[in-house]
Amino acid sequence: SQTIHQWPATLVQPVGSPLSLECTVEGTSNPNLYWYRQAAGRGLQLLFYSVGIGQISSEVPQNLSASRPQDRQFILSSKKLLLSDSGFYLCASRDRRGANVLTFGAGSRLTVL
Amino acid sequence: GIQVEQSPPDLILQEGANSTLRCNFSDSVNNLQWFHQNPWGQLINLFYIPSGTKQNGRLSATTVATERYSLLYISSSQTTDSGVYFCAVNSGNTPLVFGKGTRLSVIA
Repeated sequence: SQTIHQWPATLVQPVGSPLSLECTVEGTSNPNLYWYRQAAGRGLQLLFYSVGIGQISSEVPQNLSASRPQDRQFILSSKKLLLSDSGFYLCASRDRRGANVLTFGAGSRLTVL
Repeated sequence: GIQVEQSPPDLILQEGANSTLRCNFSDSVNNLQWFHQNPWGQLINLFYIPSGTKQNGRLSATTVATERYSLLYISSSQTTDSGVYFCAVNSGNTPLVFGKGTRLSVIA
């Protein structure tokens, strides 16, 4: 089964600073990878997904970007954070070989001050 | 795109009570999952259930794909069942679409 590692778990950053959240996946190969954000309240918003190395699809316009430099690595970045970027960021992976199940990492909680 | 509606939005239960959470979706799907988000934010997959019925301990789920709904049953609820329950669906290779969740509070 898949294991998703996310870091850092918590992060406090000033407005205008850069951001890098990392996600790595174990136990699968060539997965579909996803970044979700959960802001105040409880809805999950899909930010980016990737079906392969270097292939990124963006779901919403924003000042965030994503990259997939390796098969099982997914990175969420920003050059200059905004207050509205605060939230809980979740990386997820779907193993395309077997059951069509989405598995989540433990999340990264970002506070922008 | 597919719309997902969950009900009720909030639910308060006495420990030991049973409950049913509902998920309606607007189009045909080939994937439906139920998740539990614990107080620390971790999303745990409960069921992968695009159709039929499954049971895991005190939890069970039923999806009636032809009528576009799924039900999650929690029996003999415990305080550790508290959290937010999400339903998510997709078709083909598209990303999962999540409902807004049901926030469950189980009180002792």
